[in-house]
Amino acid sequence: ELKVEQNPLFLSMQEGKNYTIYCNYSTTSDRLYWYRQDPGKSLESLFVLLSNGAVKQEGRLMASLDTKARLSTLHITAAVHDLSATYFCASYQTGANNLFFGTGTRLTVIP
Amino acid sequence: KAGVTQTPRYLIKTRGQQVTLSCSPISGHRSVSWYQQTPGQGLQFLFEYFSETQRNKGNFPGRFSGRQFSNSRSEMNVSTLELGDSALYLCASSENRVGGYTFGSGTRLTVV
Repeated sequence: ELKVEQNPLFLSMQEGKNYTIYCNYSTTSDRLYWYRQDPGKSLESLFVLLSNGAVKQEGRLMASLDTKARLSTLHITAAVHDLSATYFCASYQTGANNLFFGTGTRLTVIP
Repeated sequence: KAGVTQTPRYLIKTRGQQVTLSCSPISGHRSVSWYQQTPGQGLQFLFEYFSETQRNKGNFPGRFSGRQFSNSRSEMNVSTLELGDSALYLCASSENRVGGYTFGSGTRLTVV
């Protein structure tokens, strides 16, 4: 079964700083998703990465995928308080036909 | 375009009871998946339905079941509720899987 590991689990950072969240998955995956979840809320789709070397950016967030290393990263640039949330990566494996989620990274941006 | 609608939003049930949760996918989406989210286990896949057929099932006991109707709406049923079933149940719809999954607001189930 595909296993997905995220690190760090908790991240506290000051506004204006940069940081990266890492997502490792154990077996070949067809695509990688990133979601954001605010407390008590549902999952909001951020990015879908479909191929090796894929890079997508939206505002202060940039996601990338390295299928050879089985690694995806979510880079945060010049963090602002509004980015405080829990971020999940999820890997999709065709054979299993479902998403395997990472443990999540709880990000707190301190003003 | 309306999003994924889950009802009810909150539910409190007693151990041993059964519960039915509902999910209406985005119009045109034929795939509906269900996930359970708990603080201890995180997000875990329950099952997926496509055109009224269960395509895949996660590692959950038989007390968890579901179905999908011809209009793509899906229901999830949990029988003989246990305290450990307390969780946020999320439904996701997809048009073709590749583009991604859109999640509903979830149903928060509390078993007492």
